[in-house]
Amino acid sequence: DVKVTQSSRYLVKRTGEKVFLECVQDMDHENMFWYRQDPGLGLRLIYFSYDVKMKEKGDIPEGYSVSREKKERFSLILESASTNQTSMYLCASSHRGTDTEAFFGQGTRLTVV
Amino acid sequence: QKEVEQDPGPLSVPEGAIVSLNCTYSNSAFQYFMWYRQYSRKGPELLMYTYSSGNKEDGRFTAQVDKSSKYISLFIRDSQPSDSATYLCAMINTNAGKSTFGDGTTLTVKP
Repeated sequence: DVKVTQSSRYLVKRTGEKVFLECVQDMDHENMFWYRQDPGLGLRLIYFSYDVKMKEKGDIPEGYSVSREKKERFSLILESASTNQTSMYLCASSHRGTDTEAFFGQGTRLTVV
Repeated sequence: QKEVEQDPGPLSVPEGAIVSLNCTYSNSAFQYFMWYRQYSRKGPELLMYTYSSGNKEDGRFTAQVDKSSKYISLFIRDSQPSDSATYLCAMINTNAGKSTFGDGTTLTVKP
């Protein structure tokens, strides 16, 4: 069974903290994505990566960075967490090519207080 | 204006009803169309995937694409309480290499 695993289901962090969200996939997928999901705003793409050490900005990259040192792992970093980054964060992966299905992780509910 | 607009809902129907979920889009570069289902506190999972205009059927689910009108639909026949979830339409712009999602429609099927 295909699997995308996010390291935490729920996180509570303080304003100004550096936050790491980890995502691991076991399907040997080339593409990996980070989205945030907010009521009324849908899924918005933060960053994506087509290969190891490669990254591309999505629609809302401000306040975030990413790291992809290994093919199976894609990390999202909040350099200095703010309350407006309270959200559901979803990681996804897919095979190379633009017409392939994305598999999603379970999501991380991050609350910044 | 958003590239993808989805009927916001929420939608509440009795068990056995036919459900119609709809999205419109403005970008002609969208070539692949998908419907994802997301249960509460879970990640989205792919339901249907289509490329061309027309209908695609899978059990109780039918996906319909009308590229000339830039309109896609998902029909659910004989709806069940287990169909209660949020449904997201998604479209791939092959030039940009990424998907754009609708905001989702929350469906509740009452027994």
